[in-house]
Amino acid sequence: EAQVTQNPRYLITVTGKKLTVTCSQNMNHEYMSWYRQDPGLGLRQIYYSMNVEVTDKGDVPEGYKVSRKEKRNFPLILESPSPNQTSLYFCASSLAGAQTDTQYFGPGTRLTVL
Amino acid sequence: GQSLEQPSEVTAVEGAIVQINCTYQTSGFYGLSWYQQHDGGAPTFLSYNGLDGLEETGRFSSFLSRSDSYGYLLLQELQMKDSASYFCAVDTGGFKTIFGAGTRLFVKA
Repeated sequence: EAQVTQNPRYLITVTGKKLTVTCSQNMNHEYMSWYRQDPGLGLRQIYYSMNVEVTDKGDVPEGYKVSRKEKRNFPLILESPSPNQTSLYFCASSLAGAQTDTQYFGPGTRLTVL
Repeated sequence: GQSLEQPSEVTAVEGAIVQINCTYQTSGFYGLSWYQQHDGGAPTFLSYNGLDGLEETGRFSSFLSRSDSYGYLLLQELQMKDSASYFCAVDTGGFKTIFGAGTRLFVKA
């Protein structure tokens, strides 16, 4: 089954404790992206990747890092989480980038930073 | 700055037709997409308009006017299961996507 998976689905952590949210897709998609969703703000793009070893900043990259060492995986790293990073996070992938292409979203990761 | 404007809430009755508008102001524009999101779920793709005009997919249609920086999603023969949030999104080029804040649709019996 074609899908995007994220882990963990739920995470409660404390300020400053480094964490990684994993994202994996089995559709051989080149393009992957991370979004955060906050009430009243819709989805905001954090980082995206056009292919292996090629990443770039979205609209809200501060406080986040990403890597793309393999085509299928695109982890999101919070080196020193802060309470303002409490949010719902979605990973997405598409075949050839945002242009014309459907983005497939993972199930989401709800993060709480205390 | 870049922005997409859509109504925060729309209410309609089962069987009716509802239109959700989206106006955008972005630095670049390649196309307008629409996504549906049920409570607790992930966004799912509904439609895409790269050119002016109407795209139809079953009960859902989407329209784009690039000259007016405007588009809409039309849902026909509303069903209770259509109660969800609907987001418009602009592909600004360079693999960047800007989403609107979402429109919450309530379908009443």
